[in-house]
Amino acid sequence: AQSVAQPEDQVNVAEGNPLTVKCTYSVSGNPYLFWYVQYPNRGLQFLLKYITGDNLVKGSYGFEAEFNKSQTSFHLKKPSALVSDSALYFCAVRDSAGAGSYQLTFGKGTKLSVIP
Amino acid sequence: DADVTQTPRNRITKTGKRIMLECSQTKGHDRMYWYRQDPGLGLRLIYYSFDVKDINKGEISDGYSVSRQAQAKFSLSLESAIPNQTALYFCATSVFGELFFGEGSRLTVL
Repeated sequence: AQSVAQPEDQVNVAEGNPLTVKCTYSVSGNPYLFWYVQYPNRGLQFLLKYITGDNLVKGSYGFEAEFNKSQTSFHLKKPSALVSDSALYFCAVRDSAGAGSYQLTFGKGTKLSVIP
Repeated sequence: DADVTQTPRNRITKTGKRIMLECSQTKGHDRMYWYRQDPGLGLRLIYYSFDVKDINKGEISDGYSVSRQAQAKFSLSLESAIPNQTALYFCATSVFGELFFGEGSRLTVL
């Protein structure tokens, strides 16, 4: 079975400081990894994904994530946080093959608050 | 206009009532999904459909049913709503593994 863990329910960071939102995963085969963001009263929006290739993935709004196979992690990062980055962030994983390849499994979400 | 449209956006109903949440998409994707979001639990998959004739249960399908009326339409039904089905429901489409979500339907069952 595939699973995702987001160990922090909430992350607080000062505006202008770097931010990291953590994610670890478990799959049987090779992972396809995703980050989504949810603003209040909105649906989830795609930020970035890792399928294969370069371990550092760049996405929307200046976000990036680093795939680390040995640590089974896919942490979301941004060099300088903005107040407008405050939102709920979800990590998700899909197995590249097998039964899990049909479903995207989401973490429980991390609430990011950027303090002015 | 939104690519994935959900109706209604908000609904309050009573225990035992039948409720249908509708989803339509203009993205032309074959794959459609219904998820449920609860605080602290993330998103959980209820049902998914890879085409009009292919319907599959997700991890929490009990108490729900779906209908794929056309490539663009995928509806979720609660035959007899109960309070623990109070949640935010999302429809999504996908291509190449990336999901595209609607704005959500907030359902409250009293």
